[in-house]
Amino acid sequence: EVQLLESGGGLVQPGGSLRLSCAASRFTFSSYAMSWVRQAPGKGLEWVSGISGSGDYTYYADSVKGRFTISRDNSRNTLYLQMNSLRAEDTAVYYCAKAVQWQGDYYFDYWGQGTLVTVSS
Amino acid sequence: QSVLTQPPSVSGAPGQRVTISCTGSSSDIGAGYDVHWYQQLPGTAPRLLIFGNSNRPSGVPDRFSGSKSGTSASLAITGLQAEDEADYYCQSYGSSLSGWVFGGGTKLTVL
Repeated sequence: EVQLLESGGGLVQPGGSLRLSCAASRFTFSSYAMSWVRQAPGKGLEWVSGISGSGDYTYYADSVKGRFTISRDNSRNTLYLQMNSLRAEDTAVYYCAKAVQWQGDYYFDYWGQGTLVTVSS
Repeated sequence: QSVLTQPPSVSGAPGQRVTISCTGSSSDIGAGYDVHWYQQLPGTAPRLLIFGNSNRPSGVPDRFSGSKSGTSASLAITGLQAEDEADYYCQSYGSSLSGWVFGGGTKLTVL
């Protein structure tokens, strides 16, 4: 079955940076778009960023645009999220999710277990 | 505040039927984008429950069904079981935001 394993979370001070990774296995990674979705403590899901299978196209929520950068290394089957200028409101569990194209849209059929990012002084 | 609106909580007794609504606008569900549903059991990652409004992935019991009409969608769960107690989220695409949007989530309590 598809496996997605996030890493890189931790405690960081406001204004700091962190890079998350998501190691993918058991599917043809380069054939699928991928996304990052986060969940603040006790809150709902929030889509953060997405990237096409080739990596040519990237998408961001307004809340992170200009601060976060999504990328992928298809040779390593790994998805990344570079997070800069972190704020307290970025504190959340970050999930990577495999995206399936559906009639001009996407849904997320597999999710990783998540990695916790805490932004605090 | 989430783009898609869901009731914060619903409840039902074992064996009963419950529905969870997901209301959007002309920029997302009403624009023709499909609705997808996820189940999140306590302390775990979300799991795909319904895709494309009414399709179940392999392994999802047929007690779960979805529908869409206009700017809204619904998730129905029949024959409620204790193991169904979880948070449920709807998801679509928001053209005005140029990104994917989720509902605020609904906590299902099995009485």
